[in-house]
Order: sequence, then structure tokens, then C-alpha cells
Amino acid sequence: GAVVSQHPSWVICKSGTSVKIECRSLDFQATTMFWYRQFPKQSLMLMATSNEGSKATYEQGVEKDKFLINHASLTLSTLTVTSAHPEDSSFYICSARTGVGEKLFFGSGTQLSVL
Amino acid sequence: QKEVEQDPGPLSVPEGAIVSLNCTYSNSAFQYFMWYRQYSRKGPELLMYTYSSGNKEDGRFTAQVDKSSKYISLFIRDSQPSDSATYLCAMNPGGSEKLVFGKGTKLTVNP
Repeated sequence: GAVVSQHPSWVICKSGTSVKIECRSLDFQATTMFWYRQFPKQSLMLMATSNEGSKATYEQGVEKDKFLINHASLTLSTLTVTSAHPEDSSFYICSARTGVGEKLFFGSGTQLSVL
Repeated sequence: QKEVEQDPGPLSVPEGAIVSLNCTYSNSAFQYFMWYRQYSRKGPELLMYTYSSGNKEDGRFTAQVDKSSKYISLFIRDSQPSDSATYLCAMNPGGSEKLVFGKGTKLTVNP
């Protein structure tokens, strides 16, 4: 299957700082990438859809100014958690589709802990 | 009623057992069905991807779709301890529509 690389795999930061998470499609071009959040023992919660060269589409209830998404190229999307607070601590996962209607492949996830 | 229902388990079986995991859905527009396996603190891994009703086999895994009943299943034969993970069903109508996930079933295969 297609490979999606996500970094870092875990990060610990102080409250008030910003954290950037990268998501790369290694062997395919992804016009669309997705960002999910997952709490312990819960399913995936879609945060936003990231389209190359355009603004991300956020799901209802997700703060655009807190979770900045940039999809500058066909192989890279970034999620920046701005002014992080302890309640932002969670497991963040990106995914990418090989094409419209095609299979969705996931990155390995990033565990964010805000102290 | 939620769009996708999945029994969260947990499900515990002995090694070598046949495992049956299931999801039901309410949206008749769903056309594409997937099963993902997720190990703790890892991203989901795509196991099976099906479109039509019927069975699809891949090694020890068989995915079954019954669109008339809005019911999908994943069977694991000769289960191994390495199969211990959370299994998520997912589906969408196709095109650019986002995936809708089940809550996941936590499976433990005991040696």
C-alpha cells in the first residue's frame, strides 16, 4: 500500500507554545489529506480536510485559528497547534488518498502532550 | 441512530480461533467499505477494501458485505497474538466524500 509518513511521533511541550506536525505522502501525490484526532479508547474524529493549494475545510466545532493546516505541495501537509493547552493533548493522525474515491492511508500518528 | 454502529468489545479469543467482527450502517448511499487495524499508539492500517456485496478474501482475512441488510463483517481465520489490535470499519458513498468510521472493536488473541 501507499506510504504516509508523519512526524514527530510524539511531542511534549509547555502550555502556550505552538507545535507543528508534518504529514508526507512518500510514494504518491495526494491532492487531499485529512487530519484526525483520537482520544483514548475512542474512534477517529475528523478535524479538517486539507486540499493542496487551497484553504482547509474544517469540521464543525474545530477552531481554525487553533489548528492551522497548510497543504503547500502534493506530498506535504502540516498541522500547527497554536498556543497549545493541556486540553489539546491527544493523538493526532493524518491520512491521504491516492485519488478521488480511492483508498485512504494513514500516518503513524503523533502523540501530543501539553504540560 | 448513528450512521455506523460497531460493537466496541472487548473481544478475547484463544489463538487459532476464528474471529468475527461486524458493523451495521444506516446510510444506503454507502458504497465503499473498509476495515482498518490499529495497534496501540499507531495509525490505522488498511486491511480490506471492498465495493460490492459479497466476499473478498486476502490471506487469513475475509471481508463480507451485505448491502441489503446494511451489514459488513471481517473474519479472521487462525487468529494469532499479533492480530491483537483494535479493528475499525469505515465506509463512504464514494467520490470525495469523507469516511465514516465505526468506534472500533478491541481484539485480544491469547496464546
